[in-house]
Amino acid sequence: SAVISQKPSRDICQRGTSLTIQCQVDSQVTMMFWYRQQPGQSLTLIATANQGSEATYESGFVIDKFPISRPNLTFSTLTVSNMSPEDSSIYLCSVSWGISYEQYFGPGTRLTVT
Amino acid sequence: EDKVVQSPLSLVVHEGDTVTLNCSYEVTNFRSLLWYKQEKKAPTFLFMLTSSGIEKKSGRLSSILDKKELFSILNITATQTGDSAIYLCAVESPPTSGTYKYIFGTGTRLKVLA
Repeated sequence: SAVISQKPSRDICQRGTSLTIQCQVDSQVTMMFWYRQQPGQSLTLIATANQGSEATYESGFVIDKFPISRPNLTFSTLTVSNMSPEDSSIYLCSVSWGISYEQYFGPGTRLTVT
Repeated sequence: EDKVVQSPLSLVVHEGDTVTLNCSYEVTNFRSLLWYKQEKKAPTFLFMLTSSGIEKKSGRLSSILDKKELFSILNITATQTGDSAIYLCAVESPPTSGTYKYIFGTGTRLKVLA
């Protein structure tokens, strides 16, 4: 397993602003993912953060709205841009060491947009 | 389209009861299925299943996979109030564009009454 931290743990933001969420892992990992969990819903994958290249986004998510960085094998950021109340969610990063390896989650960031 | 369906959506039991949670899936090129427990924000990893008929067990929790019928079950015996949580099932989806991902079900919300 891995120790994963996320910052901030929660935030309340005004619409139209942006928030960057950080995900730090205590060991090098192959895969890092970003998920969104809207109230009462299951987890939806936003994108896979690829080290040294552009993130791979799922259908319905675009780089302009959710820019992602992954400068090395232990760190990634997700920015939620030009926020609206519909972006109020829990945002989770997760890590894995490759295909058919377990996937572990960070503690999550609870975002409220007013 | 790949999908993961969990049932029941919610369940209320009394302490000491045994519960069975179901996860069925339709995924091409299945590789693995994971079970998670989510109490607050971050899902906690429980089991990873790759082979049919081999039971994974951890204390009062156990899980088994049927790759022919495309489902898995999670059993919890002698339930305790601390088992109250959302239980999520995720199935590994084959890679597209060079990456891979897990598709999550909607979850089963379990409440255990004292």
